[in-house]
Amino acid sequence: AQSVTQPDIHITVSEGASLELRCNYSYGATPYLFWYVQSPGQGLQLLLKYFSGDTLVQGIKGFEAEFKRSQSSFNLRKPSVHWSDAAEYFCAVGRQGAQKLVFGQGTRLTINP
Amino acid sequence: DAGVIQSPRHEVTEMGQEVTLRCKPISGHDYLFWYRQTMMRGLELLIYFNNNVPIDDSGMPEDRFSAKMPNASFSTLKIQPSEPRDSAVYFCASSLAGGNQPQHFGDGTRLSIL
Repeated sequence: AQSVTQPDIHITVSEGASLELRCNYSYGATPYLFWYVQSPGQGLQLLLKYFSGDTLVQGIKGFEAEFKRSQSSFNLRKPSVHWSDAAEYFCAVGRQGAQKLVFGQGTRLTINP
Repeated sequence: DAGVIQSPRHEVTEMGQEVTLRCKPISGHDYLFWYRQTMMRGLELLIYFNNNVPIDDSGMPEDRFSAKMPNASFSTLKIQPSEPRDSAVYFCASSLAGGNQPQHFGDGTRLSIL
């Protein structure tokens, strides 16, 4: 069975600083990987996904993520954060032949002005 | 394109009352999912449907919870009788078939049981 770990429950960065949110997964084959963002009072919105090909994927809102099979990781990055990026971020893993996603516990991002 | 639509957005009711949450998935999506989100337990999958048929309801907490999907454009999640510990945000999501297809979420129903 798949599992996802987001080691950081809460991260605070200054506006304009770079950001990296960690995601580690457990799955024997090539996983399908997703990052979602949840703003207060809203549902989860897809930022980006990876299922094959180039291991560096670009998403919306200036985010990118890199799949590293050797480290079982799919970390989310942004070179310069904006105050509007303050939200909760979820990593999720899926697999071929299954429709369910397994979600991490989420990382809450706070932006200091 | 219209996204997943949930109603109501907020529901406050007294314990023991019946609660019905509604969801309209994205047209053409084959799968529909119901989740519950709480601070303590995070995001939990309750049940999901494929082509209106329930596939996995192992996440439904108790018999007080039931879900139906009478047609491709409508699903309900019912709690009867409701209890204060059912207070949470309930999300509906839909997707196309395929493990690499993302799920699209509605804005949720915030449920408070007094």
